[in-house]
Amino acid sequence: KNEVEQSPQNLTAQEGEFITINCSYSVGISALHWLQQHPGGGIVSLFMLSSGKKKHGRLIATINIQEKHSSLHITASHPRDSAVYICAVSGNTDKLIFGTGTRLQVFP
Amino acid sequence: EAEVAQSPRYKITEKSQAVAFWCDPISGHATLYWYRQILGQGPELLVQFQDESVVDDSQLPKDRFSAERLKGVDSTLKIQPAELGDSAMYLCASSHRQGELLETQYFGPGTRLLVL
Repeated sequence: KNEVEQSPQNLTAQEGEFITINCSYSVGISALHWLQQHPGGGIVSLFMLSSGKKKHGRLIATINIQEKHSSLHITASHPRDSAVYICAVSGNTDKLIFGTGTRLQVFP
Repeated sequence: EAEVAQSPRYKITEKSQAVAFWCDPISGHATLYWYRQILGQGPELLVQFQDESVVDDSQLPKDRFSAERLKGVDSTLKIQPAELGDSAMYLCASSHRQGELLETQYFGPGTRLLVL
């Protein structure tokens, strides 16, 4: 069993829909990261959080430390949001443990 | 905005050949990471540098892979000899660690390697 599990693995949506991607982890962490990877390969860090909730534009990330669960929400989704979204966790060191990613496709 | 630079972006080589990838982190970032990402999977850490020192290379296949960061700035990852299973995206990232405070990692565009 992977230490970081994401669901769903693949997700399709119509433009404008509200999207939720889930991440569960089984190890102790100091922070959880949400990353975005576009088809070209580059990875962009979206959020790093250790408690509560963070918001940036149409993106919202929440974490429940007790339940070892995080969600990434996208409001008013747009085709340019199409990408792979990766959840990763870090413990006492900087080392990141990555999930396998959720592939999102948003259609016009 | 400062970015992590990597070159080349794409590399095709034959098995048993040597390949090298280069990474220039964001200026001032002391921590540098090399990751390997096989298609359809999440990245896997190969090696982590703090300045010029290796702090974690537990997942680096040392019989064929080597990494160096001689002056604590840019870094080179080498594979010799390359094998078919090394085909993957090689990602470099850097972060600015301040004491015990963990910082966001910034990723480069990656080098996509294809071994024939």
